[in-house]
Amino acid sequence: QVTLKESGPVLVKPTETLTLTCTVSGFSLSNARMGVSWIRQPPGKALEWLAHIFSNDEKSYSTSLKSRLTISKDTSKSQVVLTMTNMDPVDTATYYCARMTDNPSLDYWGQGTLVTVSS
Amino acid sequence: QSVLTQPPSVSAAPGQKVTISCSGSSSNIGNNYVSWYQQLPGTAPKLLIYENNKRPSGIPDRFSGSKSGTSATLGITGLQTGDEADYYCGTWDSSLSALWVFGGGTKLTVL
Repeated sequence: QVTLKESGPVLVKPTETLTLTCTVSGFSLSNARMGVSWIRQPPGKALEWLAHIFSNDEKSYSTSLKSRLTISKDTSKSQVVLTMTNMDPVDTATYYCARMTDNPSLDYWGQGTLVTVSS
Repeated sequence: QSVLTQPPSVSAAPGQKVTISCSGSSSNIGNNYVSWYQQLPGTAPKLLIYENNKRPSGIPDRFSGSKSGTSATLGITGLQTGDEADYYCGTWDSSLSALWVFGGGTKLTVL
């Protein structure tokens, strides 16, 4: 079955760089119909889409966060990595990765990982 | 402020019907498929509707979706207390570059 799981630090300091890994199973990152997005949700707030990587390695980023984000994938490891530079307390959120199909929709989600930014 | 506009909250009694609107523009809803997501308290979002009106396997037919022009609507009939959740619409937006957008979310309360 399809699963996605986020991993990374639970606590980062202001100005540090956050690196999150999404490990997927049940599908291949080279599948032409599949891609992976990162989404975050500050406590008590709405979902915010961050970035997406397509099967052909094309990338798309949130306009407001583009300068701070990098998304990449390692197909052999079934992993998608998101880095976010210059972290700030307002970046405290649960970070999700999700599979996107060509319908398009986010059909499978990871459980999410809470990242707190604090000194 | 979200690109897609949803009402912050809706409410209805058990057994009743409710609709949740999602308003956008020609660069997003007007020219792309809309999907809807349900987020129960403390859990990850779950896909409810894709391609405007299709339900994934396992989603009951109490949930329906529609789209007209630059707006989309999620309908839920036969409300149950277990439907209390936040609901989000989402779609691609191609105004400047391709990016995904969510609505601000709607909190459904089943009274």
